[in-house]
Order: sequence, then structure tokens, then C-alpha cells
Amino acid sequence: DTGVSQNPRHKITKRGQNVTFRCDPISEHNRLYWYRQTLGQGPEFLTYFQNEAQLEKSRLLSDRFSAERPKGSFSTLEIQRTEQGDSAMYLCASSSLAGGPQFFGPGTRLTVL
Amino acid sequence: AQSVTQLDSHVSVSEGTPVLLRCNYSSSYSPSLFWYVQHPNKGLQLLLKYTSAATLVKGINGFEAEFKKSETSFHLTKPSAHMSDAAEYFCVVSRSGGSYIPTFGRGTSLIVHP
Repeated sequence: DTGVSQNPRHKITKRGQNVTFRCDPISEHNRLYWYRQTLGQGPEFLTYFQNEAQLEKSRLLSDRFSAERPKGSFSTLEIQRTEQGDSAMYLCASSSLAGGPQFFGPGTRLTVL
Repeated sequence: AQSVTQLDSHVSVSEGTPVLLRCNYSSSYSPSLFWYVQHPNKGLQLLLKYTSAATLVKGINGFEAEFKKSETSFHLTKPSAHMSDAAEYFCVVSRSGGSYIPTFGRGTSLIVHP
């Protein structure tokens, strides 16, 4: 296993369009996290899965955002009706231990025009 | 509740001189603490972790950090900086065990001059 992968690496979309990102975690990791990172800031937590269950969701997360992890393997993050403020790097991470270290993917950079 | 403060947004050193990146945290629980590094256009990489074992933690690439409960600090150090150390560094606090949400600091940009 070569680590966490994310697709696409870059996405450019027009305001109002929907976008979907995919994350494939390290295969034996049952915990998966989504973050958003803007320039000059640290990653901001969005949501967290343990297996297929979504256990935590940031209060900052708009209802235009939804995430799934069917069968507890890969995860998707969808943003509906994108806005320019959604432009950011979206990071995925996985881990095998609660409170343990996380392993990050390369991220998907979203640009909303 | 938990939070983390990285005291310097930028740190500039000369190659071969020591590195000190400062991090203070607050946590209502026994914390787990981490340092991650992010090189330009690359993913976040774990440097080291503290999870209630030895207070002096050694990581990759010659970095280490000391957990000081009385000072609520977890500063990152390296005896001698290399040009390849130039990157963004993030301090992270989370709760040991159970469901948790990790909190990242805003990052410290390390600049290494030849």
C-alpha cells in the first residue's frame, strides 16, 4: 500500500456547480478524516468517519457539504452549489488509532471561478 | 475544549544553526501532541508524536520535541538546520483515546538561509 490517495488533484469549476472528491485511505485504517486548508492557515477539520459511520461533523460545515464512506473503504466529499469561498485545498487523512497519528493524502485543490 | 498556538508565523535560520519552533497547547484532557511538516506542493508528513510516554520525543530527520506539562508547551527543535528543512510546520493537539477532533495550529514557516 502506497498511502492515502486523493482524486482529482486539481479541480476548477464555475460557481454554482457541484463537485465530488474521492479519498482512498490506507487499507487497514478504519478512521478517515476530511480537512480544508486555505493559504496561510492550518488544516481545518470538516468531518470524521470510523468505518462507514460518520461520527463527527464540524459546526462550520455548510449543509452544501456532504460526505460518505460506503462499506468503510473509500470516501467521497461532495460540495453542492459551489461558491468562491469554497476555493481551498481539501485534505484527506486516515489512521488506525483513536488519538493516534494521521496519514495524509496529497490533497485536492479546488478553484471556484 | 482544546487549542494550540504556534507562537511564530515565520522562523528564519542559517544552515547549520539550531532550530526552535514554539507551540503551546491547552486541553481539558490528557493530550496527544504531534508535529507535522508540509513541503511545498506535498502532503503533510508526521514528524513526531507524544502520547503520554517519554516526555522527550525523537522524530524523523533529526527533529525532537519536549512535552512540558507545567508550561503546556511542545516545542520542536533540531540541532543543525539543513536547506531541505525549509517548509511549513504544524503543531497538533488531540485527546488521547476515544472520539476526538484534532486541532491544528496555524503553522510556522521555517526559512533556511545558506
